[in-house]
Amino acid sequence: SQQGEEDPQALSIQEGENATMNCSYKTSINNLQWYRQNSGRGLVHLILIRSNEREKHSGRLRVTLDTSKKSSSLLITASRAADTASYFCATPGAAGNKLTFGGGTRVLVKP
Amino acid sequence: NAGVTQTPKFRVLKTGQSMTLLCAQDMNHEYMYWYRQDPGMGLRLIHYSVGEGTTAKGEVPDGYNVSRLKKQNFLLGLESAAPSQTSVYFCASSFTSPTGELFFGEGSRLTVL
Repeated sequence: SQQGEEDPQALSIQEGENATMNCSYKTSINNLQWYRQNSGRGLVHLILIRSNEREKHSGRLRVTLDTSKKSSSLLITASRAADTASYFCATPGAAGNKLTFGGGTRVLVKP
Repeated sequence: NAGVTQTPKFRVLKTGQSMTLLCAQDMNHEYMYWYRQDPGMGLRLIHYSVGEGTTAKGEVPDGYNVSRLKKQNFLLGLESAAPSQTSVYFCASSFTSPTGELFFGEGSRLTVL
């Protein structure tokens, strides 16, 4: 069963716009991670946010974490065509011995 | 550094055939994982290893076997392939902990006819 669920499943935006996607999870976690996957490629780690952090930035990425709502959001600002990809959140499983991934959000950035 | 390398990248099998996917990492990572990715289902963990000589079952281990004889290599075997095993397989590794940052290979696309 999936620990994290992304929303929306897909979104389409114009270059320069911001893209926001959300992740909800079920059990308590000590960290949450976001990954990007370009078509036909492997996943690439973007950012890790710990349970005692509320917000974290990396370049044009902003991640928030609300442990009371068991949710996280990933914001990509000033999107570029190269940001077209699928984005996944990942959380530790209930036993804490592995990461589990959500189904992903497919983002299309139109030039 | 090559990172995580998977071979082969593509393979077509007939039902009942066997094959082995090889994952090699050059980062001296302790932890290694095999995931499968199917449309609409995200990534599901098949087997994982927390160190040389160790293996453990993940979410969907049936029909697969693994071995970690050397720290840098993690092999995934299909003894008798079934069409339900048609998927894209990803190997990953991590250094600090099972729930730390994962480094992924580029994937192996397997089709079972």
